[in-house]
Amino acid sequence: GAVVSQHPSWVICKSGTSVKIECRSLDFQATTMFWYRQFPKQSLMLMATSNEGSKATYEQGVEKDKFLINHASLTLSTLTVTSAHPEDSSFYICSGLAGVTDTQYFGPGTRLTVL
Amino acid sequence: GQQVMQIPQYQHVQEGEDFTTYCNSSTTLSNIQWYKQRPGGHPVFLIQLVKSGEVKKQKRLTFQFGEAKKNSSLHITATQTTDVGTYFCAGDGSGNTGKLIFGQGTTLQVKP
Repeated sequence: GAVVSQHPSWVICKSGTSVKIECRSLDFQATTMFWYRQFPKQSLMLMATSNEGSKATYEQGVEKDKFLINHASLTLSTLTVTSAHPEDSSFYICSGLAGVTDTQYFGPGTRLTVL
Repeated sequence: GQQVMQIPQYQHVQEGEDFTTYCNSSTTLSNIQWYKQRPGGHPVFLIQLVKSGEVKKQKRLTFQFGEAKKNSSLHITATQTTDVGTYFCAGDGSGNTGKLIFGQGTTLQVKP
């Protein structure tokens, strides 16, 4: 199956700093990438849809100025959590989609802890 | 907005017993997907159902898509300890855009 990687796998940062998370499709071109957030014992909540070369589409309630998404190429999307606060601590997962009828291939996730 | 409800939230079974999780969407879905997430891990794709009334099997797992394409179920026969994890259904209701709305998940615990 297709492989999606995420980096870093975990990060601890101080409140007020920014954190960048990378999502890469390793063996396919992802026309669309999705970013999810998962709090402990909860489901995945879609944050935004990212298409290569265009602005991301954010879900209702997700601050686009706080969660900056860049989809610079068909194999790389980045999520930057700006001015992180403890309530932003979560498991961030990306997924890649090769075509609209394809399945989503999930990355291993990035666990963010903001102190 | 579109919602996908999943029940039960938790299920504890004795090894060898069967297990079923149910998924209901507030809107008609173009397809439904099932994922398994082990503790500390990420969701792993299990299957996608597209056709009304579709039934698919993977060894001890049976997946069904309702006739109205608004509900689905996952049934595991004779559970094993390796089945432990959280099972999520995810519906694509937005006209095959690939955008998925996840159910709350059912966490399965299997007692050996």
